[in-house]
Amino acid sequence: DVKVTQSSRYLVKRTGEKVFLECVQDMDHENMFWYRQDPGLGLRLIYFSYDVKMKEKGDIPEGYSVSREKKERFSLILESASTNQTSMYLCASSFIVWGGNGYEQYFGPGTRLTVT
Amino acid sequence: QQPVQSPQAVILREGEDAVINCSSSKALYSVHWYRQKHGEAPVFLMILLKGGEQKGHEKISASFNEKKQQSSLYLTASQLSYSGTYFCGTDLYNTDKLIFGTGTRLQVFP
Repeated sequence: DVKVTQSSRYLVKRTGEKVFLECVQDMDHENMFWYRQDPGLGLRLIYFSYDVKMKEKGDIPEGYSVSREKKERFSLILESASTNQTSMYLCASSFIVWGGNGYEQYFGPGTRLTVT
Repeated sequence: QQPVQSPQAVILREGEDAVINCSSSKALYSVHWYRQKHGEAPVFLMILLKGGEQKGHEKISASFNEKKQQSSLYLTASQLSYSGTYFCGTDLYNTDKLIFGTGTRLQVFP
């Protein structure tokens, strides 16, 4: 079974702190993603990575950065946490399926971050 | 450019049917459907490609109207296990960069 793990299920941080969210996948997937999920807004893509040391901005990258030094690990960094970054953060990894005609994303359990 | 899902919520009794729609203003390469049960991670259900091909793991049917850039997910003879929030994700160029809709919450009662 594919496993995507995230370092914490719940996290409470103070405004201005630097926050690291870690994600590890065990299936040698090329692509990895960070989303945030807020009620009524669905899943919104923050950053994604197609390979080690490669990253691309998603739809809402402001206030976030990422790091991918190893294929299995993708980190999301909040340089200076703010209260509007209180949210559920989901990591995913994916691989090509169906003869190259699509991808299947596997999600981690999520980290519920509260910034006070 | 976020796809629009409708309805926002559905309440069913076991055995009833439901249709969830996903509409995009952009030309799509594929539409993906995921289900998220309460407190759990989203799980892949199926992918619909332009040209009509469908691939998935579960016995759920769906359609993709390329002219209208709309997809519909058909849940027939619903079971309690169908409860959850359904998300469609749209891929414009087969890049795996999905834009998800805001979700449809489905509740099935005995």
